[in-house]
Amino acid sequence: QVQLRESGPGLVKPSETLSLTCTVSGDSIITYYWSWIRQPPGKGLEWVGYIPYSGSTNYNPSLEGRVTMSIDTSKNQFSLKLRSVTAADTAVYYCAREILYGNGCHFDSWGQGTLVTVSS
Amino acid sequence: SYELTQPPSVSVSPGQTASITCSGDKLGEKYASWYQQKPGQSPVLVIHEDRKRPSGIPERFSGSNSGNTATLTISGTQAMDEADYYCQALGSSTVIFGGGTRLTVL
Repeated sequence: QVQLRESGPGLVKPSETLSLTCTVSGDSIITYYWSWIRQPPGKGLEWVGYIPYSGSTNYNPSLEGRVTMSIDTSKNQFSLKLRSVTAADTAVYYCAREILYGNGCHFDSWGQGTLVTVSS
Repeated sequence: SYELTQPPSVSVSPGQTASITCSGDKLGEKYASWYQQKPGQSPVLVIHEDRKRPSGIPERFSGSNSGNTATLTISGTQAMDEADYYCQALGSSTVIFGGGTRLTVL
């Protein structure tokens, strides 16, 4: 059974770059798509973007220009970088496995989530 | 941009049927998925591709999708089903989540 685990700093200063890594176990990262999803405290879910092993990314347009995702097949990890963060980027960040098909997709496995707070 | 609309809250008595709706333009032409999230926990997929249940999800969870509305139905609702529920679909090339519905089992 696939397991995902997020890691990275829990506190980031405004205007700096948020960096998170997701380590995948129990499945090869060269299959499926791999996503980041975030949830501000007390609010709903927001998709950040996905990356397949080929590296062809797709990002939420609302974050376009600030977000970069990368994948390291040798470590079975994928990563998120979000630049120029503000307090509005404070959220629990989840990594998830995305199953993508014709006119739909779903997320069948999620990490436990990591809270990232943007504050000076 | 594509939007999915859910009622903020739904209440149900134990043993009764709960229905949670998700509305979006021509949503029936897309696949809808549903997630359950309990406080302090990660979301869990309960329905995908409109009506398919992942392994381990009780049979009391079912889904449908037609026209502009997808519906998650919980038959014989139990206290353990109290949670936030989110619908999700694929927009033009962007993943969209509904705003979430708090299900209260009174």
